Formats: sequence, structure tokens, C-alpha cells
Amino acid sequence: GESVGLHLPTLSVQEGDNSIINCAYSNSASDYFIWYKQESGKGPQFIIDIRSNMDKRQGQRVTVLLNKTVKHLSLQIAATQPGDSAVYFCAAPNQAGTALIFGKGTTLSVSS
Amino acid sequence: NAGVMQNPRHLVRRRGQEARLRCSPMKGHSHVYWYRQLPEEGLKFMVYLQKENIIDESGMPKERFSAEFPKEGPSILRIQQVVRGDSAAYFCASSRDREREGYTFGSGTRLTVV
Repeated sequence: GESVGLHLPTLSVQEGDNSIINCAYSNSASDYFIWYKQESGKGPQFIIDIRSNMDKRQGQRVTVLLNKTVKHLSLQIAATQPGDSAVYFCAAPNQAGTALIFGKGTTLSVSS
Repeated sequence: NAGVMQNPRHLVRRRGQEARLRCSPMKGHSHVYWYRQLPEEGLKFMVYLQKENIIDESGMPKERFSAEFPKEGPSILRIQQVVRGDSAAYFCASSRDREREGYTFGSGTRLTVV
């Protein structure tokens, strides 16, 4: 079946460093991907998305890279701040387009 | 413009009781999605509803779980005869149209079964 997964369950960085969170997916037909941020006690919050006709998309301090050849995407956060501490999920629509398939999440901890 | 509203935020039920979780979508949104999140896990899709219709319930357990989205009022996720394994965070999301992309999540209901 379809799956979306993250490589590392936890990532610890110092404030000001750049963070890279990785994700792999199984369905080569997947054409859209989303990164969500979930802070403790809250619902997932949309960060950035990317379509499969792109290799890279940039937002404010965040960049998503997509490598369709190896079915891998990454979220890069520049100048990581304590407020970036959260769990990050990658997600992709299922084939029917009725739901999102989420990975397990990477917990990002930022220390001052 | 209020976001997706879920209530209650926290719900404690004894084994065997019923749990009712409510979700009011964003204004103008007629599509609702329910997800469940177990501790240390990602979100798992449960059901997708449009007003008065269940579009996809492939993620719903076969027994004890039901969902509705009536013409008027919030969407309800009902869990009958709860068991400890039902303890989780339940999130609702909504969208204006049937879309695959970036819909908005509520803050969730945390169900604890004791």
C-alpha cells in the first residue's frame, strides 16, 4: 500500500543552525506533498507544499526539496529558532484523493 | 474568521461509555475529514464526509465507530462502548471543495478512556 515515512524520529539542533528533515514515499505516482508542523497540544499546521513538477520550493525560512528519482523529499529550516520546536510531518494524498497519508513525524528540538 | 472548531478539547470516558466528538468546519466549508493520532504516531485517516454524505470511510474501524455531518450543525464522530485502545487525539479538518491539498485542521479532542 501507499506509505509516507520519515527517516529520523528526533532531531536536535542549536538555535541559529539550519535543520533538515527528511521523508520518503512509496508511490511513484504521488504528485503532491505537504509538510505540517504540530506543536504540543495543537493540530497540524500547514507549512509548505510542493507539486511533482517542481524540484524545489521556498517559503519564509523554509525550503522543500523533492527528488522523484529516489522518492525522497526534505524540509529545510534556515536559522532555526526555539519557536520551531515541534513535530514535523510529511504527507501526501492517497490515490483516491480523499485523504492524506502522514508519516510518523520528526520531533525537532531547538536549544538556545 | 474562526478556524475549525472542535469540542470538547479533552474528554474522559470510562470503558463501555459512549464518546461524542464534535467538529464545526470553517465558514463556507462543506467537506470534513476526521483523523486519529495515537501517542508518538502520525495522523491516520478515518473518514471523509460531505454534508449528509459519507464519501470515504475506509479508515473507520468496522465496529463501534460512526460519523455524520448533518445538513445543519457540526460533524459528529461517535465511539460506542469505548475501550482503552480508543484513547487518542482525534483531529478534524475541513475544506471548501473536495480537495487533496492542505486543508485546515482543528486543535483536536483528546480522548482518555479510564
